[in-house]
Amino acid sequence: KNEVEQSPQNLTAQEGEFITINCSYSVGISALHWLQQHPGGGIVSLFMLSSGKKKHGRLIATINIQEKHSSLHITASHPRDSAVYICAAYTGNQFYFGTGTSLTVIP
Amino acid sequence: DTEVTQTPKHLVMGMTNKKSLKCEQHMGHRAMYWYKQKAKKPPELMFVYSYEKLSINESVPSRFSPECPNSSLLNLHLHALQPEDSALYLCASSQDWTYGYTFGSGTRLTVV
Repeated sequence: KNEVEQSPQNLTAQEGEFITINCSYSVGISALHWLQQHPGGGIVSLFMLSSGKKKHGRLIATINIQEKHSSLHITASHPRDSAVYICAAYTGNQFYFGTGTSLTVIP
Repeated sequence: DTEVTQTPKHLVMGMTNKKSLKCEQHMGHRAMYWYKQKAKKPPELMFVYSYEKLSINESVPSRFSPECPNSSLLNLHLHALQPEDSALYLCASSQDWTYGYTFGSGTRLTVV
């Protein structure tokens, strides 16, 4: 069993839809990261959470420490949001990565 | 400068070649990391350097040899690689967990 589980694995949405990606983890964490990876490789750090909720533009990330669960929401999705979204639990000295959610937003 | 710069972006090498990947950051981060990522898989940690000392080696074969000559630079020396070592190699750096991570754009390595 992976230390970090994400769902769904693949997601296709129409432009404008509200999107939710879920992440559950089993390790003790210092922080939970949401990362974005576009085709071609580079990873961008979207959020780092240790409690509560963060918002950046159309992206919202929440975490429930007691339930060991985090969600990434995208409001008014756009084709440029198409990417792989990776949840990563940081224990203080290393990451445990989820397997990623591949999002495709259709115009 | 808030970036992690990796060079080269693409590398094709034969199994008898020796090559090096380079990673550079000027954010004053004291921890630097090498990750390997195969297609459609999450990144796998290879090495962690903390204050220029190797602190984590995730049982990586000796054909991969990391080096941290100074606090801004991290190298990964490659020798006698196998085709299954073809992957995206990502470098990252962090000050500490409160400041998060910054990833480089990666080096796509193909071993022929």
